[in-house]
Amino acid sequence: SSVLTQPQSLSVAPGNTARIPCEENNLGNKSVHWYQQRPGQAPLLVIFYENDRPSGIPARFSGSHSGSTATLTITRVEAGDEADYYCQVWDNSPDHHWVFGGGTRLTVL
Amino acid sequence: EGQLVESGGGLVKPGGSLRLSCAASGFTFSLYTMNWVRQAPGKGLEWVASISGSGFVHYAESLRGRLTISRDNAQTSLFLQMNSLRPEDTAVYYCARDTYWADLWGQGTLVTVSS
Repeated sequence: SSVLTQPQSLSVAPGNTARIPCEENNLGNKSVHWYQQRPGQAPLLVIFYENDRPSGIPARFSGSHSGSTATLTITRVEAGDEADYYCQVWDNSPDHHWVFGGGTRLTVL
Repeated sequence: EGQLVESGGGLVKPGGSLRLSCAASGFTFSLYTMNWVRQAPGKGLEWVASISGSGFVHYAESLRGRLTISRDNAQTSLFLQMNSLRPEDTAVYYCARDTYWADLWGQGTLVTVSS
């Protein structure tokens, strides 16, 4: 089964770019999805299928994937982007299930 | 677009049982696999179980044997029966719609296992 590794925390100044990595040895053949979770709220899908955005998610949010690392990039970071961010894959070994990364707390300085 | 509303959480003693519900609306419920995901206080997201529209189920290995996921497509509802509850089961439990990713989440229901 997959194990997705994320840094626990990341700090970025407003207006700068945040890049949140998600690593896993066998990530190359999996699609990665990303969620934002603000304090006290349910998770919100921000990126699916590597780099697709649900309606209502700003274009400042994008995803990329190279080898064993997927990255969520947030450009022109705003105070409202301060949240926990989780990566997720669908795994079928040994059977259907979701795997989440441990989450990265993004702090806007 | 859809809405999910969980209920049934609360305070339960170790060894006790609880049945969570998730009421779905605004989409064709029977067409979707549905999941339960939990989040312990201050911790990350943990997948718990899934059930396809036709009833195929999968459980997290660590929880297998204590949980039963079920659904009623006519009532557009999802359920999670939890038995032999332990303090480490304390968490917010979310239901989520499955499209290989979770495109729709409920607001969660808090389960506290404590004596």
